[in-house]
This record gives sequence, structure tokens and C-alpha cells, in this order.
Amino acid sequence: DVKVTQSSRYLVKRTGEKVFLECVQDMDHENMFWYRQDPGLGLRLIYFSYDVKMKEKGDIPEGYSVSREKKERFSLILESASTNQTSMYLCASSPPLEGGNTEAFFGQGTRLTVV
Amino acid sequence: GQQVMQIPQYQHVQEGEDFTTYCNSSTTLSNIQWYKQRPGGHPVFLIQLVKSGEVKKQKRLTFQFGEAKKNSSLHITATQTTDVGTYFCAGRTSGTYKYIFGTGTRLKVLA
Repeated sequence: DVKVTQSSRYLVKRTGEKVFLECVQDMDHENMFWYRQDPGLGLRLIYFSYDVKMKEKGDIPEGYSVSREKKERFSLILESASTNQTSMYLCASSPPLEGGNTEAFFGQGTRLTVV
Repeated sequence: GQQVMQIPQYQHVQEGEDFTTYCNSSTTLSNIQWYKQRPGGHPVFLIQLVKSGEVKKQKRLTFQFGEAKKNSSLHITATQTTDVGTYFCAGRTSGTYKYIFGTGTRLKVLA
């Protein structure tokens, strides 16, 4: 069974803390994504990576950075957490575009609360 | 930048009624995907449409991709309580890896 695993289901952090959200996939996918989900706004892309050490900004990268040192792992970093970063964070992975079917597989999500 | 809008935002239906959600992109899409997210769950892939005017069916679900490849719809016939959740479309433009998700339509089915 294919899997995308996020390190925490729930997380509470203080304003100003550096926060790491980890995501691991076991499908050998090239592409990995970080989204945040907020009511009424759907899923918004923060960053994505199409290869190890490669990354591209999504639509809302401000206040975030990412790291992809290994193919299976994609980390989202909040450099200095703020209350407006309270949200549900979803990681996803997908096969390369060249394969045709680019179905994304999502992790279970991390609900982050910044107080 | 590219935007993908979905309507309606919410829909309540009686069990057995039909349901349709519409997805509109500001730009021509290379392909479009549909996902379902159950309450408390994560998005799960339903289908991908690639060709202009394409229609695909999965049991009671019918998916369409517009002729101009800028809009799409998902129609559910005779809804059941198991159809409850939020339905998202996600569109990709040519030359990019990323999918832009629509705002989603939350479906509630009343028994």
C-alpha cells in the first residue's frame, strides 16, 4: 500500500519558534509538494520539488523554506512561526509528468497551531 | 497568475438527489484532476482528464472536461451518505509541474 507519512498529526508551537514539518514517501516519486489548507481557500501550494535538492516556490512561499536532501523526504520549515501560519499542512507526492498519470498521494496532514 | 475557481462552495442535498460541482480556470489547462476529501481525512485522487471534451464515468460519478480545456464538472447521480465530503479540482498548465487546486465544494447529504 502506497504511503505518504507526515511526522506529526497535531503540533502546537509558540510564535517565533522554528518549526520543522517532515514528510516521507515510499513510492520513489520524483515530485513532492507542500500545501496548506484553510477553510474557504482550498489547498494552496507553498513549495514543490521535482528532484533531490531541487525546489520551486508555489503560490504562498513567504515565511517558509523547504529541504529535499533525499528523494523520499521533503521537509517544510517555518523559520519563525507566526499566528497566521496556523493551518492544516498537507504533503503530497506524485510520479513524473512523463509517465502520464500524475496522481498525487497525500499524507494525513499536520494541524499546526501557533500560539 | 493562474486561478481555479469552484462553485458552489457548499451544497446540501437530500439523499437520492443529484449533485454537480463546477470548476473554472483562468487559463487553458493541460489536464485536470479531481479529488475527494472525507471529513477529517486527506484528499484522495478520483480521476484525471486530459482530452478536450473528455467524459469519464465511475459508477454514479460523471466527469467532464470542457472543449476549451478551461472548465470541468463532476456530477453525482442519486447521492448517498457515503458521498459526503469536499470535492476539489486541480488543474495543470503546460510546461509546469504544479497543480493549482480549486477552492473545493463541500457536499452534505441529508438522509
